[in-house]
Amino acid sequence: AQKITQTQPGMFVQEKEAVTLDCTYDTSDPSYGLFWYKQPSSGEMIFLIYQGSYDQQNATEGRYSLNFQKARKSANLVISASQLGDSAMYFCAMRLLNNNDMRFGAGTRLTVKP
Amino acid sequence: NAGVTQTPKFQVLKTGQSMTLQCAQDMNHEYMSWYRQDPGMGLRLIHYSVGAGITDQGEVPNGYNVSRSTTEDFPLRLLSAAPSQTSVYFCASSYEDYTEAFFGQGTRLTVV
Repeated sequence: AQKITQTQPGMFVQEKEAVTLDCTYDTSDPSYGLFWYKQPSSGEMIFLIYQGSYDQQNATEGRYSLNFQKARKSANLVISASQLGDSAMYFCAMRLLNNNDMRFGAGTRLTVKP
Repeated sequence: NAGVTQTPKFQVLKTGQSMTLQCAQDMNHEYMSWYRQDPGMGLRLIHYSVGAGITDQGEVPNGYNVSRSTTEDFPLRLLSAAPSQTSVYFCASSYEDYTEAFFGQGTRLTVV
């Protein structure tokens, strides 16, 4: 089964600065999708961004971008111009195509300092 | 616009009791899943389904059963609750394998 690794248990960033949250994955399957979710202290899971393994360009959604390096099997989330409301847990996830087996990393807790 | 609805939101069980966590979605999604979230461990996949009548095991299926008789509903059954099953449970659904999963609000389960 695929494996997702998030090596940063916690990160701090100054308000208005950019931050990168790391995610590496391991699979031998060439067809997969990568997802990032945000979980604020209220507990809900909020979808942020998606990257397909065959996508030629890195995904972007507003202040979120995904730095996809296929050869290194990494899918780092970049948040630009951090806001206080970005303080939350962030999870990287991976799902093989034609499959609903979606696995999550352990998460990174981001704290934005004023 | 209900999305994914989980019931109950909170539950306390005694060891050995059984119960069913309900999950319903109104988006006509084929893909549905159950996860549990424990501190420091992210979300772990319990069971998943790719359509009515089709289910499969995830990472941590022991002690749980599922069935998928309709597209809308995907209940999770705890057969004989154990303290190790104390967790927050999330149900999720998605339209396709390349689309995001929509999550319910979660069920906080405590087994004493």
